[in-house]
Amino acid sequence: GAVVSQHPSWVICKSGTSVKIECRSLDFQATTMFWYRQFPKQSLMLMATSNEGSKATYEQGVEKDKFLINHASLTLSTLTVTSAHPEDSSFYICSRTLGETQYFGPGTRLLVL
Amino acid sequence: AQSVTQLGSHVSVSEGALVLLRCNYSSSVPPYLFWYVQYPNQGLQLLLKYTSAATLVKGINGFEAEFKKSETSFHLTKPSAHMSDAAEYFCAVTNTGTASKLTFGTGTRLQVTL
Repeated sequence: GAVVSQHPSWVICKSGTSVKIECRSLDFQATTMFWYRQFPKQSLMLMATSNEGSKATYEQGVEKDKFLINHASLTLSTLTVTSAHPEDSSFYICSRTLGETQYFGPGTRLLVL
Repeated sequence: AQSVTQLGSHVSVSEGALVLLRCNYSSSVPPYLFWYVQYPNQGLQLLLKYTSAATLVKGINGFEAEFKKSETSFHLTKPSAHMSDAAEYFCAVTNTGTASKLTFGTGTRLQVTL
């Protein structure tokens, strides 16, 4: 069964609004979770590492003020896309680790109009 | 530094034929290697992984992969393709004891025809 859930699975919003995506670890506590972005027909690009109780670590080129990450509990990390624009439209996927393996959520498709 | 190269962005096989998806890696230290499958509009599902134990790794859905250090390869195979195998396949590498940043290949789309 699924070990990582994401909500919502689909979201459509107007340009300029903010969107929050939730990522939950269902079976184990997760001190570290990862957020990825995937453009159509492309691979996954790591955006940031979410750390429980501390600030997220962002990859080079990812705007931390644009993509706010909060890892407030051991089972929940959230990604907020602030002031979304059409170029932020993408498929966002989170993952959590167990040992050496990452387990991925089902993804959230964001469409900004 | 680590990297993954997947040769062939698109592979087409007939149902019942052998599936071979290629993955070569580059890593300065012993790698951990993974194959994930992604169905349309879904997240990634772990197929199998190599973590320095047996070099021939068996995964779900009849897939297997062999780690060949001399060739820096981790090709994915399945003896007989099924229509349900049509999906995007990603090879990924990390090289730490606990899961850290995964570096993904660009993916290979597998098409299975009748």
